[in-house]
Amino acid sequence: DIQMTQSPSTLSASVGDRVTISCRASQSISSWLAWYQQKPGKAPNLLIYKASSLESGVPSRFSGSGSGTDFTLTISSLQPDDSATYYCQQYSNYPLTFGGGTKVEIK
Amino acid sequence: EVQLVESGGGLVQPGQSLRLSCTASGFTFGDYAMSWVRQAPGKGLEWVGFIRTKAYGRTAEYAASVKGRFTVSRDDSIGLSYLQMNSLKNEDTALYYCTRALTEPGGGYYFGSWGQGTLVTVSS
Repeated sequence: DIQMTQSPSTLSASVGDRVTISCRASQSISSWLAWYQQKPGKAPNLLIYKASSLESGVPSRFSGSGSGTDFTLTISSLQPDDSATYYCQQYSNYPLTFGGGTKVEIK
Repeated sequence: EVQLVESGGGLVQPGQSLRLSCTASGFTFGDYAMSWVRQAPGKGLEWVGFIRTKAYGRTAEYAASVKGRFTVSRDDSIGLSYLQMNSLKNEDTALYYCTRALTEPGGGYYFGSWGQGTLVTVSS
């Protein structure tokens, strides 16, 4: 199975900060990576697919990059509404696997 | 607007069975693979299984933790996906989400739309 490791597990930042979340795969997954945002008590929401493609309707302050084993989700200017947990997911191989999540808090 | 509504969750004892349903609307159901993802209380996301479209033989894939116990099926005529769960264990306790799975040539599936989830509690 491909293991997905996210870091950090929690981060605290101020409104307007640039925030980066890392996701590392245990083996190469090419660009087959998606990112999701989950707010408390809500279902996850797709942000990014194929490592860097922005899902329709997602604010442009979100971006994704990387290929192979190392990936990054960037929020260019953190907003209060971005307080959530973020998950990466690989879809290169079965079983499909998620990272453990990164909780983003607003200072 | 894509809508996915799960139902069928509840409290069951270990070893018992339960069938979850996912009612889909707002899109051509038969054109999409459908998947189930679960989230144990306070934990992260875990993929459970999915079923491909008729064009791909309605074949299914499962996580090792549920293979042989859970079955995903679909009824394209009425826009429903099902998750049949047998031999339930305490560790199957989770919120179960129905998702519309998306794919691209060469890749597997990711999850484009999600329902609000239905809670399954396995306890004696």
